[in-house]
Amino acid sequence: AQKVTQAQTEISVVEKEDVTLDCVYETRDTTYYLFWYKQPPSGELVFLIRRNSFDEQNEISGRYSWNFQKSTSSFNFTITASQVVDSAVYFCALSEVGSGGFKTIFGAGTRLFVKA
Amino acid sequence: DTGVSQNPRHKITKRGQNVTFRCDPISEHNRLYWYRQTLGQGPEFLTYFQNEAQLEKSRLLSDRFSAERPKGSFSTLEIQRTEQGDSAMYLCASSPYTGGQIMNTEAFFGQGTRLTVV
Repeated sequence: AQKVTQAQTEISVVEKEDVTLDCVYETRDTTYYLFWYKQPPSGELVFLIRRNSFDEQNEISGRYSWNFQKSTSSFNFTITASQVVDSAVYFCALSEVGSGGFKTIFGAGTRLFVKA
Repeated sequence: DTGVSQNPRHKITKRGQNVTFRCDPISEHNRLYWYRQTLGQGPEFLTYFQNEAQLEKSRLLSDRFSAERPKGSFSTLEIQRTEQGDSAMYLCASSPYTGGQIMNTEAFFGQGTRLTVV
């Protein structure tokens, strides 16, 4: 069965600090996709990144970076020099190709507070 | 605006009443999903359509829930005989699928319909 665990329920940082959001997943499939979504106070989930299980290359996009390690089943997300606008709930998600590729399982989310 | 649109945004209903929500996906997207999100939790998968075909339903979707996508465009989610436990945010999402190797594209979410059953 697939499962996504985000152990950090809430994180509070001061603006300009770096922060890492942890994500650990479980799957029996060898082919799967991992995602991060952001849910700001407005409620709409915003896609941030997709990674497939065969691509362990880390990715950087502006202040965002992702570290994917299959050996530890982790897909962590780091925000560098955090800003108040980064305050939101962040969800890690997993989608197994074996399930048809359409069913995405989300973690419980990490609420990030960035204080000015 | 070409994003995913959900109506209504908020719905308050009395226990036992039926409610229906509508989702208009991004026009060229043939995959449509319904999720439910309760406070402090991530979205939970309910059901999935590819065009007009409902291909998967979660065990969370009891007999009181039904979803349709009659023409492969908009979708409706109906809850009959609502219960207080149905109170949640109902999210709709859509994604494109054109076959090939990339099966799991990201989903684009609407703002959701918040249901309160009193």
